[in-house]
Amino acid sequence: AQTVTQSQPEMSVQEAETVTLSCTYDTSESDYYLFWYKQPPSRQMILVIRQEAYKQQNATENRFSVNFQKAAKSFSLKISDSQLGDAAMYFCAYRGTSGNTPLVFGKGTRLSVIA
Amino acid sequence: DTGVSQNPRHKITKRGQNVTFRCDPISEHNRLYWYRQTLGQGPEFLTYFQNEAQLEKSRLLSDRFSAERPKGSFSTLEIQRTEQGDSAMYLCASSSQEFTEAFFGQGTRLTVV
Repeated sequence: AQTVTQSQPEMSVQEAETVTLSCTYDTSESDYYLFWYKQPPSRQMILVIRQEAYKQQNATENRFSVNFQKAAKSFSLKISDSQLGDAAMYFCAYRGTSGNTPLVFGKGTRLSVIA
Repeated sequence: DTGVSQNPRHKITKRGQNVTFRCDPISEHNRLYWYRQTLGQGPEFLTYFQNEAQLEKSRLLSDRFSAERPKGSFSTLEIQRTEQGDSAMYLCASSSQEFTEAFFGQGTRLTVV
């Protein structure tokens, strides 16, 4: 079974600085998808960024980028120029390529942004 | 369409009572997922529908839990004889074949007292 591990329960960053959230996963599949979701307090989970395993190029969405290391099964999220609105729980998630495969989540990292 | 909608947002119930939650997915999405999230944890998969067919159920889904999606549109999740351990946030998500990611609702927070 696939597992996702987020080893940092909590992180903090100064406003305008850069922070990196770690994620590792375990799978025997060669093709899959990886995601970072953001869950603000009392609000719904939203997608931040996604990565297809067959793509070598790291995904980027504005201030958010990933460092995808397939051989190491590592998928970290870098947030640049951190803003107060970035404060939230961040979940790393894995999904296989079968249409029936649900998302498998890590336990999350709570990010605080200090003004 | 404003996204995935879940009702109620909050539910407090006494132990032993039955509760039912509703999820309205994004209208063109044929896939619907239920997850449970306890405090400090990531969402855990409960069950999955493609159209009206329930294709997968987690071992977390005990026989007290039942889910339906009668016409391939909205879905309901019922918990019978609730226990304190059922207290959690219940999340619904939907997706289509065109999207690899799932879109989540705001969840229903269940408190069993």
